[in-house]
Amino acid sequence: DGGITQSPKYLFRKEGQNVTLSCEQNLNHDAMYWYRQDPGQGLRLIYYSQIVNDFQKGDIAEGYSVSREKKESFPLTVTSAQKNPTAFYLCASSKATEETQYFGPGTRLLVL
Amino acid sequence: KNQVEQSPQSLIILEGKNCTLQCNYTVSPFSNLRWYKQDTGRGPVSLTIMTFSENTKSNGRYTATLDADTKQSSLHITASQLSDSASYICVVSVQTGGFKTIFGAGTRLFVKA
Repeated sequence: DGGITQSPKYLFRKEGQNVTLSCEQNLNHDAMYWYRQDPGQGLRLIYYSQIVNDFQKGDIAEGYSVSREKKESFPLTVTSAQKNPTAFYLCASSKATEETQYFGPGTRLLVL
Repeated sequence: KNQVEQSPQSLIILEGKNCTLQCNYTVSPFSNLRWYKQDTGRGPVSLTIMTFSENTKSNGRYTATLDADTKQSSLHITASQLSDSASYICVVSVQTGGFKTIFGAGTRLFVKA
């Protein structure tokens, strides 16, 4: 998992609740990413950030929000607007967007 | 439409045997192609990365090939081990001014003793 940590490993969300997934890296990478993985599908990009204080929407950003106040941290908030949040969430980082991405161990989000 | 398709969807082989996984893509303009290995419940780990000019790239028992003309790639695993049981994901990046990467759905490989 190479210097990227995600927490918690499992997260439970109640209806109408916002939850925040943590992602931290000590690789000194500029770029960070959030993906969602559903069974039988490829990873889908939620948000990415190429540099501190800047981030861009990915293919499925609706119902999610992010911040990038520090180079090492890229937390993802799953809001109540995300109607189908149950999935495996993966955070990744790279030196730049064209470089190889290093992934964290993932957080599995379940809805109660 | 940019797409990455992998086959087979799943594969069962005996320990010690070789196998080849396929990846076809329609991504354009092409930037690079990566193969990742993902163990169950873990994040993907990079195996190889190839640009347009590269035909073959090896990483231990893993050898990836790329035919940019036919837009096909393969991942060959030699002398499989039980620890090779995982999903193998093909990822193609689009050459744009921003960031665009297309992930395949993966091939699930089971290696049996």
